[in-house]
Amino acid sequence: GAGVSQSPRYKVAKRGQDVALRCDPISGHVSLFWYQQALGQGPEFLTYFQNEAQLDKSGLPSDRFFAERPEGSVSTLKIQRTQQEDSAVYLCASSGKRGTNTGELFFGEGSRLTVL
Amino acid sequence: GENVEQHPSTLSVQEGDSAVIKCTYSDSASNYFPWYKQELGKRPQLIIDIRSNVGEKKDQRIAVTLNKTAKHFSLHITETQPEDSAVYFCAATDILTGGGNKLTFGTGTQLKVEL
Repeated sequence: GAGVSQSPRYKVAKRGQDVALRCDPISGHVSLFWYQQALGQGPEFLTYFQNEAQLDKSGLPSDRFFAERPEGSVSTLKIQRTQQEDSAVYLCASSGKRGTNTGELFFGEGSRLTVL
Repeated sequence: GENVEQHPSTLSVQEGDSAVIKCTYSDSASNYFPWYKQELGKRPQLIIDIRSNVGEKKDQRIAVTLNKTAKHFSLHITETQPEDSAVYFCAATDILTGGGNKLTFGTGTQLKVEL
């Protein structure tokens, strides 16, 4: 598709379950970001990939959070042993076709995670 | 790291009036300042951005001003319309360091345009 695609759009997990959230960025985009958006707040940075390399994971809140982008395209954000405080919308964004960088981030619709 | 503060958190205006949203940032290295609009349940979308080498940029009813000395920037929407109702986020980053476009966002302004 033409835009950033995320799945699932909605996920309900019981506390302690593991979840995996998928992001399919715009074709050719070099950079991929994961953000966490709590209700009524701005997106907060989690991690950043340039191609397959994870260059910055300083925003991951704990070692229960893990992200990968093995082939430099699709990315997965995994949360192990989910806690209620993990409930949020997880936004994926991509940018930067090779040779161009306007600065704009293109966001997906997000995956809304609810931990019961 | 960068810290971005945004106010007001909510703003209600009459249709046709102007709306102004203000942000301050802390990192003097920041040089790129976008504004994103997020409608309820939708993805954030870029509406306008400004780089540190200019003080003002305008696109139809939307304008952004930047004061680098004071480290603040503002979004101005004129002749507001009901479809302008949404949450607006400011953001800041250093776009030149090669760290990607890692944006630091403000906390958002809920704009409501009343008929």
